[in-house]
Amino acid sequence: AQSVTQLGSHVSVSEGALVLLRCNYSSSVPPYLFWYVQYPNQGLQLLLKYTTGATLVKGINGFEAEFKKSETSFHLTKPSAHMSDAAEYFCAVSPDSGYALNFGKGTSLLVTP
Amino acid sequence: KAGVTQTPRYLIKTRGQQVTLSCSPISGHRSVSWYQQTPGQGLQFLFEYFSETQRNKGNFPGRFSGRQFSNSRSEMNVSTLELGDSALYLCASSLASTGVGYTFGSGTRLTVV
Repeated sequence: AQSVTQLGSHVSVSEGALVLLRCNYSSSVPPYLFWYVQYPNQGLQLLLKYTTGATLVKGINGFEAEFKKSETSFHLTKPSAHMSDAAEYFCAVSPDSGYALNFGKGTSLLVTP
Repeated sequence: KAGVTQTPRYLIKTRGQQVTLSCSPISGHRSVSWYQQTPGQGLQFLFEYFSETQRNKGNFPGRFSGRQFSNSRSEMNVSTLELGDSALYLCASSLASTGVGYTFGSGTRLTVV
């Protein structure tokens, strides 16, 4: 079964600093990969997704992620953190022929002034 | 364009009761999935429907059931509620027939007392 592992349940960065949230996947076939963000008392919002093609994926709010097959990774980055980026971030994987998203445990991002 | 609508937003039930949650997908979306989110287990897939047919089911007991109507609206039902069923239940809809590009609703917060 396909799965993802998010390294670090809590990440703290200063406002203006680089954001790096790590995600490694386990898959025997090329997967579909996603990053979602969740603000308190809300649902999940899709930040970006990788299906096929370009391995560097740009998403909303200045986030991007790079699919690295050799490292089985799909890390999320943002050059400069904003206070509004504080939220829970989830990496997810979907089998190419399946219908369920397998989520990581999530990483809580704290942005300090 | 309206998003995924889940009703009610909050619900308090007593152990042993049953509950029905509703999800209205984005217009034109035919795939609807349900997820349970708890602090301990994270986000777990419940089931997915496409054109009124359940195509995939997660590892949950038979107390959890769902259905999809001809207008793509979906309901999930939990019978004989247990304290451990307290969770945020998220519905997601997709235009495509595979698990790419799901849009999530804000969820229903179920508390079992």
